Amino acid sequence: GEKVEQHESTLSVREGDSAVINCTYTDTASSYFPWYKQEAGKSLHFVIDIRSNVDRKQSQRLIVLLDKKAKRFSLHITATQPEDSAIYFCAASTGNSNNRIFFGDGTQLVVKP
Amino acid sequence: GGIITQTPKFLIGQEGQKLTLKCQQNFNHDTMYWYRQDSGKGLRLIYYSITENDLQKGDLSEGYDASREKKSSFSLTVTSAQKNEMAVFLCASSIGWGYEQYFGPGTRLTVL
Repeated sequence: GEKVEQHESTLSVREGDSAVINCTYTDTASSYFPWYKQEAGKSLHFVIDIRSNVDRKQSQRLIVLLDKKAKRFSLHITATQPEDSAIYFCAASTGNSNNRIFFGDGTQLVVKP
Repeated sequence: GGIITQTPKFLIGQEGQKLTLKCQQNFNHDTMYWYRQDSGKGLRLIYYSITENDLQKGDLSEGYDASREKKSSFSLTVTSAQKNEMAVFLCASSIGWGYEQYFGPGTRLTVL
């Protein structure tokens, strides 16, 4: 079945640097790729997503890149701030009446002041 | 803005017991989801409901039942609680499949 792998289990960066979290997926039918953030002791909330009809999307300091040939997508956080510290989950989802969604195991991002 | 509430926040049950978790949303979203999150792991989809009268199994549905009582509520039943399913159960909703999901605070299940 589908597998979503998140390559970095932990990532530590200095405040102001960029952070990159990489995910790969196996199902070529996946067409929707959301990212969620989970702060300590809290539930998940949505940060950004990308659909398979584009290969790049930006929202303020967040950039998502999608490489469909390599079945890889990544989240880039620029100019990191301490409040970016959290666990980030990637997910890959199919649709068209064959709905499936699979999540990676999460990346713990630590932004050091 | 809207909110998703899950009850109870903590649920303690005995092995073999039938347990029910409840979820309510006031976003007026069509689609609702139940996930299980094991410690240090990502989410796995148990059941989802595309619209009010729909119910679909996810990849982890064995051992669970679900019910979409009305558009705003979606409940999950653990049919026979097992010790290895201690986890946090998260409910979510979205305007449709393939859109941003809004998550509730979770129900932490402990099985004795």
